[in-house]
Amino acid sequence: EIVLTQSPATLSLSPGERATLSCRASQSVSSYLAWYQQKPGQAPRLLIYDASNRATGIPARFSGSGSGTDFTLTISSLEPEDFAVYYCQQRSNWPSSFGPGTKVDIK
Amino acid sequence: QVQLQESGPGLVKPSQTLSLTCTVSGGSISSGDYYWSWIRQPPGKGLEWIGYIYYSGSTYYNPSLKSRVTISVDTSKNQFSLKLSSVTAADTAVYYCARDYRGYFQHWGQGTLVTVSS
Repeated sequence: EIVLTQSPATLSLSPGERATLSCRASQSVSSYLAWYQQKPGQAPRLLIYDASNRATGIPARFSGSGSGTDFTLTISSLEPEDFAVYYCQQRSNWPSSFGPGTKVDIK
Repeated sequence: QVQLQESGPGLVKPSQTLSLTCTVSGGSISSGDYYWSWIRQPPGKGLEWIGYIYYSGSTYYNPSLKSRVTISVDTSKNQFSLKLSSVTAADTAVYYCARDYRGYFQHWGQGTLVTVSS
């Protein structure tokens, strides 16, 4: 099973700041990586798939990059509704697996 | 817009079988474009993919749970179901059903909390 690690565990930022989240895979997943946002009491929401493609309805301030084992989710300017937990997920090898998450909270 | 809704008991006794159903609306479960997955999240923890089913009945399970998991589909009711046997407290989690397109989960149910306790 491919293990995903995310850093940092917590990111404390202010609205308007830029957020950079990292996801690293234990082996290459090519570009088969997604990012999800989860708010308390809600199901995860797909943001990015295939490393860099925004899902339907996702604002342009969210962008993804990377390939192989190192990936980044960038939120260019944090809006109040962006404070949440973010998970990466790989679908390169089954079973699919998720990272442990990065919490973006208000500084 | 497709919607998914989980249903089933919120409390299961240890050693018993957890049973949940996901009802799909706004789209046919028989669409050949999608797989149908179960994912769980223990309280305060991360996400674990349990397994998926195709409308034809073919399945793939996470090896970590394979010996205890059965996923089935009822195309006439537009539903798919999860059974997890021999549960323990470690199986306490919010269980989500989700539509899987190319291995990504764009549509999720709201989730249902299942607690394993005597």
